[in-house]
Amino acid sequence: GQNIDQPTEMTATEGAIVQINCTYQTSGFNGLFWYQQHAGEAPTFLSYNVLDGLEEKGRFSSFLSRSKGYSYLLLKELQMKDSASYLCAVLDSNYQLIWGAGTKLIIKP
Amino acid sequence: NAGVTQTPKFRVLKTGQSMTLLCAQDMNHEYMYWYRQDPGMGLRLIHYSVGEGTTAKGEVPDGYNVSRLKKQNFLLGLESAAPSQTSVYFCASTIGENQPQHFGDGTRLSIL
Repeated sequence: GQNIDQPTEMTATEGAIVQINCTYQTSGFNGLFWYQQHAGEAPTFLSYNVLDGLEEKGRFSSFLSRSKGYSYLLLKELQMKDSASYLCAVLDSNYQLIWGAGTKLIIKP
Repeated sequence: NAGVTQTPKFRVLKTGQSMTLLCAQDMNHEYMYWYRQDPGMGLRLIHYSVGEGTTAKGEVPDGYNVSRLKKQNFLLGLESAAPSQTSVYFCASTIGENQPQHFGDGTRLSIL
């Protein structure tokens, strides 16, 4: 079966750095996406990795290791508005997105 | 630029009733998707479309039907609603299979 694993919930302090991990087992791999979803709102795109390595985009970075079936999202200089759920999704061999259950990130002052 | 628009935003149904959820996108995207999101679970694909006039089943298609008569619209139908279909439904569209999907604001559906 196909599986995406992420921690259910994480807590971090404003101004700090947090790393959200995602491990996956899927039938094929055509890329990995990270989305942000604020409570009661739609998911919004953050990043896409298809090759191994780190992609940096402002305060957010995403890393991929295909051999390990592993990715992480790194958030720097945390702000209160970063409180949200972060969804990891893998594009499988049929180009269907397989979604993790999401990691709820709580930012404390 | 509206992006992806879903109607209605909220709805309460009784078991056995039928309804249609509408999704409209103004980005000229070929690919459109219907997902459901339940607590503690990832988004699950119900049906999708790779272009006008085409539809295909996703992971959880039972109890739902879809139509894509026009490129910009993707309709999701519930013929006989069941309590297990209580969920938040999201529509998404994208220009390509390996491109980011753009989501509507969701429809919160409760079936009593």
